[in-house]
Amino acid sequence: GAGVSQTPSNKVTEKGKYVELRCDPISGHTALYWYRQSLGQGPEFLIYFQGTGAADDSGLPNDRFFAVRPEGSVSTLKIQRTERGDSAVYLCASTLGTTGAELFFGEGSRLTVL
Amino acid sequence: AQKVTQAQTEISVVEKEDVTLDCVYETRDTTYYLFWYKQPPSGELVFLIRRNSFDEQNEISGRYSWNFQKSTSSFNFTITASQVVDSAVYFCALSGAQGGSEKLVFGKGTKLTVNP
Repeated sequence: GAGVSQTPSNKVTEKGKYVELRCDPISGHTALYWYRQSLGQGPEFLIYFQGTGAADDSGLPNDRFFAVRPEGSVSTLKIQRTERGDSAVYLCASTLGTTGAELFFGEGSRLTVL
Repeated sequence: AQKVTQAQTEISVVEKEDVTLDCVYETRDTTYYLFWYKQPPSGELVFLIRRNSFDEQNEISGRYSWNFQKSTSSFNFTITASQVVDSAVYFCALSGAQGGSEKLVFGKGTKLTVNP
């Protein structure tokens, strides 16, 4: 497709379970970002990749969260031992990677932890 | 540290009114970029505009205009003759060109409701 694709669009899980969220960026975009958006808040930065490497992971809240992008395209955000406070919309964005380039966002994955 | 403040949490106007959304930013970078994004009820963030710190010219695109003032660290967004379709949450955002990170920092957003 032409845009950023995120799956699943909705995920309901129980506290303590493991969750994976997938992002397929726009073809040719070298930079990929993960954000988390809680209800009524702005997107909160988690991590971004340039190619395969994490260029800045300072936004990951704790070691239960990590993300990979092994081949420089698709990325997976992984959350271990989920907690109710992890409930949010997880947004992925990609960009050409040049300084100041606009980010193109996907529709997000809504995670609900019961 | 970079910070974006959108003091207006919610604004409600009647169709055809003009409305200005405020954005104030903080950064130590000398080169930086400012953005506005729109998030309609469907949820997907839509890019509206980008300005770099060296270009203080105001910009107009149809009913939308942006006023960038470095002296007051503000990047305000005006919608002229608002329409119901303008109802959305609008986010101002900032990214620095130095310091090794290209992350975009968002404000908390302003929810605009345009009533018919």
